Amino acid sequence: AQTIHQWPVAEIKAVGSPLSLGCTIKGKSSPNLYWYWQATGGTLQQLFYSITVGQVESVVQLNLSASRPKDDQFILSTEKLLLSHSGFYLCAWSMDRGNTEVFFGKGTRLTVV
Amino acid sequence: GQGVEQPDNLMSVEGTFARVNCTYSTSGFNGLSWYQQREGHAPVFLSYVVLDGLKDSGHFSTFLSRSNGYSYLLLTELQIKDSASYLCAVREPNYNVLYFGSGTKLTVEP
Repeated sequence: AQTIHQWPVAEIKAVGSPLSLGCTIKGKSSPNLYWYWQATGGTLQQLFYSITVGQVESVVQLNLSASRPKDDQFILSTEKLLLSHSGFYLCAWSMDRGNTEVFFGKGTRLTVV
Repeated sequence: GQGVEQPDNLMSVEGTFARVNCTYSTSGFNGLSWYQQREGHAPVFLSYVVLDGLKDSGHFSTFLSRSNGYSYLLLTELQIKDSASYLCAVREPNYNVLYFGSGTKLTVEP
């Protein structure tokens, strides 16, 4: 069975500080990987997707970057956090192209103060 | 991009049904998905439709009309635990991007 693990579960960070969030998918080779963000009470927005190692495409510009250093790992980061970065970050995966179901991790709750 | 619209709130009664509506305006369309999201938790997949008509999956059914840019999720025999937000999401033609609506918060009352 496939599992997706996100870390950390929650973070409180200062404005201007760096951020690194990660997720790992086990039990599925070459998954499509995604990062989503949801402001409190807001709409779920897709930030990035990756269909293969080393390749990441941006969907929404929020002064964030993403990388896929390994087949099963996806990293979201920024060098300087803004207050507007607060929210719920979700890593997700799906089967290769054409799949209709996206599986989400449990998410990271980020509070920027 | 995609404009995906949902009503904010919906209330219904235990044992009856609820219909959650979703309208979309698109530059392309490659299917529509429904997800359930409980407060503070990740969305959970419910259904996917790409062809017109009604897809019956028991407790959850979904309808799609591509010509009208409209879909609904029908929940029957409602239980209190069905209280949650229901999100619709439109998949763009390159398959890799989902555009979500803001979600409809369903409250099921006794």
